[in-house]
Amino acid sequence: DGGITQSPKYLFRKEGQNVTLSCEQNLNHDAMYWYRQDPGQGLRLIYYSQIVNDFQKGDIAEGYSVSREKKESFPLTVTSAQKNPTAFYLCASSIPGLYEQYFGPGTRLTVT
Amino acid sequence: KQEVTQIPAALSVPEGENLVLNCSFTDSAIYNLQWFRQDPGKGLTSLLLIQSSQREQTSGRLNASLDKSSGRSTLYIAASQPGDSATYLCAVTGGSQGNLIFGKGTKLSVKP
Repeated sequence: DGGITQSPKYLFRKEGQNVTLSCEQNLNHDAMYWYRQDPGQGLRLIYYSQIVNDFQKGDIAEGYSVSREKKESFPLTVTSAQKNPTAFYLCASSIPGLYEQYFGPGTRLTVT
Repeated sequence: KQEVTQIPAALSVPEGENLVLNCSFTDSAIYNLQWFRQDPGKGLTSLLLIQSSQREQTSGRLNASLDKSSGRSTLYIAASQPGDSATYLCAVTGGSQGNLIFGKGTKLSVKP
């Protein structure tokens, strides 16, 4: 089945630790995105990538980093510099130019 | 800067009722508009995509309209069912990179 997978579903970390969230897609999409969702808030864009080995900052990139070494994978690292990392993280992909985005099931990160 | 607003924030209706969810955006220069459904703790499911040149799209009991000039979209749900209970999100694609800008959603509850 084609789709987007995110792992793990739940993630717990201590403050000060970096953590990496996985996002994999087998839709053969070039573009991939990371969003953050907080209670009562709309989704906010963290980073996006239109093509392998290239990515751009979104609206709230501070404290996050990404890589895009393979078309299928777009991992997100939440660093200790992120002031309020506890949130629900969603990954998406799309075909550039069509702009219809497909979302993964999300990872809920809790940092204490 | 593009802003997306969804009204109402929450809606409760009896089963079988037809209903309308509203979405407005401040900048009419959009590529498309997407409606999503989100169940609690889950990712987003794409319901309908309306290209900027289109006026409406239909899928089963769902009909979405777009009026770019007035910056408005509506999602019409016919003959609502308890299984329609979820949060409905509206998002517009405004930039050349295909990034989505989301509203905060309407939480729908359909009572049996």
